[in-house]
Order: sequence, then structure tokens, then C-alpha cells
Amino acid sequence: AQSVTQPDIHITVSEGASLELRCNYSYGATPYLFWYVQSPGQGLQLLLKYFSGDTLVQGIKGFEAEFKRSQSSFNLRKPSVHWSDAAEYFCAVGDNAGNMLTFGGGTRLMVKP
Amino acid sequence: EADIYQTPRYLVIGTGKKITLECSQTMGHDKMYWYQQDPGMELHLIHYSYGVNSTEKGDLSSESTVSRIRTEHFPLTLESARPSHTSQYLCASSQSSERAFDEQFFGPGTRLTVL
Repeated sequence: AQSVTQPDIHITVSEGASLELRCNYSYGATPYLFWYVQSPGQGLQLLLKYFSGDTLVQGIKGFEAEFKRSQSSFNLRKPSVHWSDAAEYFCAVGDNAGNMLTFGGGTRLMVKP
Repeated sequence: EADIYQTPRYLVIGTGKKITLECSQTMGHDKMYWYQQDPGMELHLIHYSYGVNSTEKGDLSSESTVSRIRTEHFPLTLESARPSHTSQYLCASSQSSERAFDEQFFGPGTRLTVL
């Protein structure tokens, strides 16, 4: 069965600083990987996804993620964080057998002024 | 912008009450899902449906039940609410296609508190 690990439960960065959120996955085949963002009291919004091809994927709101098969990782990055980026971020892996998502535990991002 | 709706957004109810959480989507998606999310925790799949009259249990055992009588509607029911059911419930939907994986679109969630 697939699994997703997000090692950092909380991260605090200063506004304008760069950001990297870590995600490691376990999946037997080629993974379908996703990053979602959840603002307080809201549902999940898709930031970006990786299915195949270029291992560096661009998403919305200036985010990008890099798929590294050798490290089983799909880390999310942003060069300059804005205060509005404060939210919970979830990494997920998709199972193409039934279109199922398995989520990591999430990383809560706080942004200092 | 995805069109998937959940009502109510917030619900506080007493133990033993029957409740139904509503989820509707206007995108004509065949597949729909219910996730449970405890505060500060990851999402766990509790129910899913591949189409009308199709319902399956997910990875996390749940005392709730679901029905899928219409494509656009996927309500979740708790016959007798208990404090252990306090959680956030997120509904999602996706299209069926020949693609390897179809993106899931999420509703805003229902935050349930059982006293």
C-alpha cells in the first residue's frame, strides 16, 4: 500500500524568505503526486501535480515541486513567501487502480512579518 | 473553479441525533469521495462512489453511511451521532476518463461537533 510522509509538522519562515516543504512517498509503480493547500476552515486547493515527464513542475501561486525518483521525494518550493501563504500543505500520492489519494500528515506553514 | 458544495459548513449537535451532511457537485463527475479529517491531521478516505447506486467503504472505518441516487448528490448520514464523530468531513469528486489519474476537486468541508 502507498504511504506519504511529511517530516515537518510545523514550519515558520519570514516573509520574503524561500520555502521548501518536504514530502516522501512509498509506492510500487510510477507515482501520481500532488500538493494541496488548505486555508483555515476551507477545503483543499490543488497547487500542482506530477504525472510524468519533466520532473520539475510549476503550479499556481508561484509554487513548484521537483520529483526525485531516487529519493522517493516530491518537495514543494517557493522562492519568496508571502504572508498569504500561511496555511496547511498536504502532499498526496494517487493510486491509478481506483483513482484514490493517500495523504501525508500535512505541514503547517506560518509566515513571520 | 470547481463547483462542489457542502452543507452545512458548521454543525454542533447533541449525542444521539441523526444527521446528514450534504454534498453536491455540478460538474457531472462520476466519482465522489468522503474524507474525514481530525484537527491537525491528515485526510482519511471513509467512503467513495464510482457512480449512481455504487458505494464503497474507504480505508478508514466509519459508522457513517452514504447513498448515491443521483450523479450530483452524495450525502453522508450518521444515524446516532457521538462525540467521537467530531471531525471535519470533506467531500470531493472527479471525472472518469481514460487518463491515468483524474484530479479530485474538494468542497469546503463540514466541521461537525458532537456534544
